[in-house]
Amino acid sequence: KNEVEQSPQNLTAQEGEFITINCSYSVGISALHWLQQHPGGGIVSLFMLSSGKKKHGRLIATINIQEKHSSLHITASHPRDSAVYICAVFTSGGGADGLTFGKGTHLIIQP
Amino acid sequence: EAGVAQSPRYKIIEKRQSVAFWCNPISGHATLYWYQQILGQGPKLLIQFQNNGVVDDSQLPKDRFSAERLKGVDSTLKIQPAKLEDSAVYLCASSVQGFGYTFGSGTRLTVV
Repeated sequence: KNEVEQSPQNLTAQEGEFITINCSYSVGISALHWLQQHPGGGIVSLFMLSSGKKKHGRLIATINIQEKHSSLHITASHPRDSAVYICAVFTSGGGADGLTFGKGTHLIIQP
Repeated sequence: EAGVAQSPRYKIIEKRQSVAFWCNPISGHATLYWYQQILGQGPKLLIQFQNNGVVDDSQLPKDRFSAERLKGVDSTLKIQPAKLEDSAVYLCASSVQGFGYTFGSGTRLTVV
């Protein structure tokens, strides 16, 4: 069974700061998702990674398959980035849907 | 492309009442999932459908929860009777053979 650990659990930062959220997993995977969840529950898929790095606007996601580690970076953070960020890994040893979720990182960006 | 539609967005009920949630997945997505997310935790899979058949419902509390996906498109999740610990966000998602996961906006259920 894959274990997914995220850090930090909670993060409060000032507007404009560079943000890093980390995700580690215990078993080899075929893909990793970074998800964003706003208050009220809706989840948006930000990235799906299987290797290397992806960039979308101010968001950057990297993955190191050998080290079983991924990071999500936010540059020039803004209060609208305040949300819960969830890492989910896709493996054949995960749940029935193949996904194992981390518990999420609660990010607050203060103006 | 339209997203995964869920309704209602919010629901407050008393314990022992029943409630139903509806999900319309992305057109062409054969796989549909229902997740339960309790505050402070990651989503937990309740049931997975492939077209209109159940792939896995091992974590669905079948004494009170039921789900169906008639015609392999829309799905409903029902809780009867509800308990206080059922208070959570219920998320619907769909995918194409495990790829392209798209989540709905969720239904926040409060049982009082």
